[in-house]
Amino acid sequence: DAGITQSPRHKVTETGTPVTLRCHQTENHRYMYWYRQDPGHGLRLIHYSYGVKDTDKGEVSDGYSVSRSKTEDFLLTLESATSSQTSVYFCAISESTREEAFFGQGTRLTVV
Amino acid sequence: DAKTTQPTSMDCAEGRAANLPCNHSTISGNEYVYWYRQIHSQGPQYIIHGLKNNETNEMASLIITEDRKSSTLILPHATLRDTAVYYCIVRVRGTDKLIFGTGTRLQVFP
Repeated sequence: DAGITQSPRHKVTETGTPVTLRCHQTENHRYMYWYRQDPGHGLRLIHYSYGVKDTDKGEVSDGYSVSRSKTEDFLLTLESATSSQTSVYFCAISESTREEAFFGQGTRLTVV
Repeated sequence: DAKTTQPTSMDCAEGRAANLPCNHSTISGNEYVYWYRQIHSQGPQYIIHGLKNNETNEMASLIITEDRKSSTLILPHATLRDTAVYYCIVRVRGTDKLIFGTGTRLQVFP
């Protein structure tokens, strides 16, 4: 399995609080992605990174920010969590735009 | 941006071949077709990808039509463990994005 770890795996937080999810890889892959998945929906891309300090928006980026200060870590931050951000969050990595992506096991976030 | 269309759900008998179609009529010449699957609530798992030629690996075969407007993922001998949601994805032209659709829910029955 690709060396990709998401932390925490589960989190419950209150509305209005900041939350940071971490994706850590040991594969030295260039590309990293954050997705969210909600019941009845497929995976929706939030943000992605194509290198250190290089990031771009995905389909549903409002309310989220990301940072990538080193190759192995991609952080997803909810500045002020809302109930609509309750979801399962997946991180993915890939070596290039033509190689397959590998996914983490997900983080289940509940905002109450 | 090329998008994909897949049936919402399909059934397949255990031991039979599962053929999952995908339409990607607006695909451009340098875009690859990828297939992933997601079992229950796990992270998606890569299955196979291709550009224009048919591809086969230990998990599945990918048949891409000559005009590249559609493809079929073939699981040659489906098992109960192949029950999952299968996603057909085209890499978005000119960007690094990997966009998923809603996929096909494959139910393999005994």
